[in-house]
Amino acid sequence: DIQMTQSPSSVSASAGDRVTITCRASQDISRWLAWYQQQPGKAPKLLIFSASNLQSGVPSRFSGSGSGTDFTLTISSLQPEDFGTYYCQQAYTFPRTFGQGTKLEIK
Amino acid sequence: QVQLAQSGAEVKKPGSSVKVSCKTVGGTFGNYAIGWVRQAPGQGLEWMGKIIPIFGTTDYAQKFQDRLTLTMDESTSTAYMELISLRSEDTAVYFCARDNYTFGDDYYYYGLDVWGQGTTVTVS
Repeated sequence: DIQMTQSPSSVSASAGDRVTITCRASQDISRWLAWYQQQPGKAPKLLIFSASNLQSGVPSRFSGSGSGTDFTLTISSLQPEDFGTYYCQQAYTFPRTFGQGTKLEIK
Repeated sequence: QVQLAQSGAEVKKPGSSVKVSCKTVGGTFGNYAIGWVRQAPGQGLEWMGKIIPIFGTTDYAQKFQDRLTLTMDESTSTAYMELISLRSEDTAVYFCARDNYTFGDDYYYYGLDVWGQGTTVTVS
């Protein structure tokens, strides 16, 4: 199975800050990576698909980049509603696998 | 807008089985796969398997190969996840999600773009 490793495991930032989360795959997954946000008690929400494509309805302050094994999710100007846990997920092959998550707290 | 509506919470005894449903509301399965993901208390997301309704094909994570069965009823646009031989470690919230990708050689991935609300399964 492809292993997905996220860093950091947690981050605390202030509104207006720029936040970057990284995800590394254990092998080349081309651009087949998605990012999700999950808030407590809710289902995950798709933010980015195929590494850099913004899902419809997701604010433009979210962006994704990368290919191969290294990927990043960037929030350009953090908003209070952006708290939660962020997960990357590879879609290169089955089984799909997720990163362990990055918990984002707003100071 | 397509939504996925899951069945209600379950409490099960160790060794028993559970069957969770996931009904497509406001549409049909279409040319999509339905994936199942679970989340143990305080833990991350764990992919379990997927089914492609139009082909009837399934893929399971190795961890669940012997205990998991995914099925669907096209007449009601409902997918099912059955897990047998339950143990305490199976206590989790179980989600279904539309796994949106193109089939065949011209692969493109659009993500797990529609999610059910989750079903809590407690094994105790």
